[in-house]
Amino acid sequence: GQSLEQPSEVTAVEGAIVQINCTYQTSGFYGLSWYQQHDGGAPTFLSYNGLDGLEETGRFSSFLSRSDSYGYLLLQELQMKDSASYFCAYHNQAGTALIFGKGTTLSVSS
Amino acid sequence: GAVVSQHPSRVICKSGTSVKIECRSLDFQATTMFWYRQFPKQSLMLMATSNEGSKATYEQGVEKDKFLINHASLTLSTLTVTSAHPEDSSFYICSATAPRKNTEAFFGQGTRLTVV
Repeated sequence: GQSLEQPSEVTAVEGAIVQINCTYQTSGFYGLSWYQQHDGGAPTFLSYNGLDGLEETGRFSSFLSRSDSYGYLLLQELQMKDSASYFCAYHNQAGTALIFGKGTTLSVSS
Repeated sequence: GAVVSQHPSRVICKSGTSVKIECRSLDFQATTMFWYRQFPKQSLMLMATSNEGSKATYEQGVEKDKFLINHASLTLSTLTVTSAHPEDSSFYICSATAPRKNTEAFFGQGTRLTVV
């Protein structure tokens, strides 16, 4: 079957670092992506890992280990505006739809 | 980045009526678009893949006669919820990937459908 597992909720304070883990089980795999969604809004792209290793984009980094079917999103220097839902997702193959995990709700407090 | 526009953003309709939602790629051509449904505090569930010039591919459990998808041009896909019922109330979102950048999906703003 196909599944992605990630924690349902994470809380942190401003300025902290948070890591959101994602494990997956799929029949096909074309890289792991991360999306952010604020309440009532559309998902926005954060990061993509096609190969093993770390990708860094500003305060956000993402990691993938294909042999472990595991990835994570690392958020540094947290800000209140980072409070949102974060989804890991994958494509079965190039050009196909994204399959989303259940999402992690991040709450950042002052 | 590429822009996907979805309209309307909110709609309220009576039970038994039909509602059409439009999804447009504004600055690129999308031979394939995707339709998702999201209930409050839940994940995005893929409903169907919309293919320009051919029939949509529906996910298991999604009624194709209830959720009609038309992809008549390279920049427009429509989702029509037919004979809507209160249980169809949800957030519907479309997405597309731009040519030569298929690792990033661009999403429309979403449509909040309320059936009363």
